[in-house]
Amino acid sequence: GAGVSQSPSNKVTEKGKDVELRCDPISGHTALYWYRQSLGQGLEFLIYFQGNSAPDKSGLPSDRFSAERTGGSVSTLTIQRTQQEDSAVYLCASSPILDFTGELFFGEGSRLTVL
Amino acid sequence: QKEVEQNSGPLSVPEGAIASLNCTYSDRGSQSFFWYRQYSGKSPELIMFIYSNGDKEDGRFTAQLNKASQYVSLLIRDSQPSDSATYLCAVKGDKIIFGKGTRLHILP
Repeated sequence: GAGVSQSPSNKVTEKGKDVELRCDPISGHTALYWYRQSLGQGLEFLIYFQGNSAPDKSGLPSDRFSAERTGGSVSTLTIQRTQQEDSAVYLCASSPILDFTGELFFGEGSRLTVL
Repeated sequence: QKEVEQNSGPLSVPEGAIASLNCTYSDRGSQSFFWYRQYSGKSPELIMFIYSNGDKEDGRFTAQLNKASQYVSLLIRDSQPSDSATYLCAVKGDKIIFGKGTRLHILP
């Protein structure tokens, strides 16, 4: 596709369940970010993948959160034992790392609601 | 802890006036600086980037960078109702981090 694709667009789950959120970046983009945006708030950095380097996981809020990126392309963010405070929009963005501007191209986000 | 600080607003500006948005950052090693616009319920979109001290103009938008003061600003001239949105400041060091955004409301 032409843009960053995220799925599901909406996910409602019960507290304690695990969820997986998927991001398919723009073809050829080597950098991939996950951010979390709670209602009315800014973008909270979660994790950053850059090519084949070890990911920067410094923003993951707890060990319930993990992410992987397979083959340098698709990424999955997994939240285990979800809590109500995990409810937010999870945004994925990709960037052609050699692009000096560092512009991020965002997906439409996955809205997670934990009941 | 590397931080990007913005006034959350809302900032109300009359139509046709200049809107001034400000941002400070903590990491002196930051290399590039961005302003993203986010409409309610939508994803952020890039409107300006700057990496050298001074001013950069693009149409009605001017970004200003002062690395010594660790300060970035965005000026919007001839503000239009369509400029009403949240403006996010982003800073690129070893990764790209965002401020919490400033809500701008243009009064018709």
